[in-house]
Amino acid sequence: EAQVTQNPRYLITVTGKKLTVTCSQNMNHEYMSWYRQDPGLGLRQIYYSMNVEVTDKGDVPEGYKVSRKEKRNFPLILESPSPNQTSLYFCASSLSSSGYEQYFGPGTRLTVT
Amino acid sequence: GENVEQHPSTLSVQEGDSAVIKCTYSDSASNYFPWYKQELGKRPQLIIDIRSNVGEKKDQRIAVTLNKTAKHFSLHITETQPEDSAVYFCAATLIFGNMLTFGGGTRLMVKP
Repeated sequence: EAQVTQNPRYLITVTGKKLTVTCSQNMNHEYMSWYRQDPGLGLRQIYYSMNVEVTDKGDVPEGYKVSRKEKRNFPLILESPSPNQTSLYFCASSLSSSGYEQYFGPGTRLTVT
Repeated sequence: GENVEQHPSTLSVQEGDSAVIKCTYSDSASNYFPWYKQELGKRPQLIIDIRSNVGEKKDQRIAVTLNKTAKHFSLHITETQPEDSAVYFCAATLIFGNMLTFGGGTRLMVKP
């Protein structure tokens, strides 16, 4: 089954404790992206990757890191989480660019206390 | 960069009525405009999209119109049903671009 998976689905953590949210797709997509969803603000792009070893900042990259060492995986790293990073996070992938259908993962609800 | 504004933020209609959601974008170079539907607790899913070489696209009860000159596009849902209740997001980007910019979302409620 073609899909995008994320783990964990729910996470409660404390300020400053490094965490990683994993994202994996099995559709051989070149393009992958991370979004955060906050009420009234829609989905805002954090980082994206056009292909392996090619990553770049989105609209809200502060406090986040990513890596793309394999085509299927695109982890999101919060090295020192803060309460303003409490949000719902979605990973997405598409064939080759932002101009194709984005397939979203199930989401990760993160709470930073 | 691109900026997308979406209105209204909430919309309540009676079952069977039509619903219209409007979006404006700022970057005249944008040429791909998708619409995503997010049901409660679920992930966003593409329901329809339009490229700038056409002015209108239909798929059963949903349609999207695009006015490139005015830089706005709209989602039209006819004969609404309770299962249409969800949050709808518009977005804009370049077909071969790298950034997808979303509007703030519209919560549609269809009353039976």
